[in-house]
Amino acid sequence: GQQVMQIPQYQHVQEGEDFTTYCNSSTTLSNIQWYKQRPGGHPVFLIQLVKSGEVKKQKRLTFQFGEAKKNSSLHITATQTTDVGTYFCAAPKAAGNKLTFGGGTRVLVKP
Amino acid sequence: NAGVTQTPKFRILKIGQSMTLQCTQDMNHNYMYWYRQDPGMGLKLIYYSVGAGITDKGEVPNGYNVSRSTTEDFPLRLELAAPSQTSVYFCASSYGAGNYQPQHFGDGTRLSIL
Repeated sequence: GQQVMQIPQYQHVQEGEDFTTYCNSSTTLSNIQWYKQRPGGHPVFLIQLVKSGEVKKQKRLTFQFGEAKKNSSLHITATQTTDVGTYFCAAPKAAGNKLTFGGGTRVLVKP
Repeated sequence: NAGVTQTPKFRILKIGQSMTLQCTQDMNHNYMYWYRQDPGMGLKLIYYSVGAGITDKGEVPNGYNVSRSTTEDFPLRLELAAPSQTSVYFCASSYGAGNYQPQHFGDGTRLSIL
């Protein structure tokens, strides 16, 4: 079945540094969603990308959808301790009203 | 606005026991979902519903049952609990089809089967 793979699985970041996490699919996606889950919390919707090459920004977070609509990235600038958590990408399954979630990138910030 | 409410928050069951995880939403969303999240892993879809009276299986439905008698409520039933069902269970809802609309999650139910 369709899968979305996220890399890296873990990301240790020094506070103030930038990092990027990636989401890859073997098939073309109609859209992709990103969620953030704080430790002990529940996933919270961040953004949805629909168009080829689309770039959206939310303060220090930049989301990009690849030109071929098979991959996406999340870039965080000047990481803060509030960025700690797991970031999931999610993409529609080929059929039905469902999402496939990636395994997530677990972000730890070193002060 | 409460959003998606799940009860209980924590539960310990013995092997072979049964229980119902409750989920209710007050956003008048038609679409509702049940996921499980094992430690350090992503979310796996158990069951979903596109409206009252309609349910369908997700990736990992075995050992679970659901019903959707009202728009607001989507309970998940565990029959004959097994250790493999130890997990965190999240209920979610969306205004439209969850593959195109944001999903809103409850706080989760942390379930241990011993």
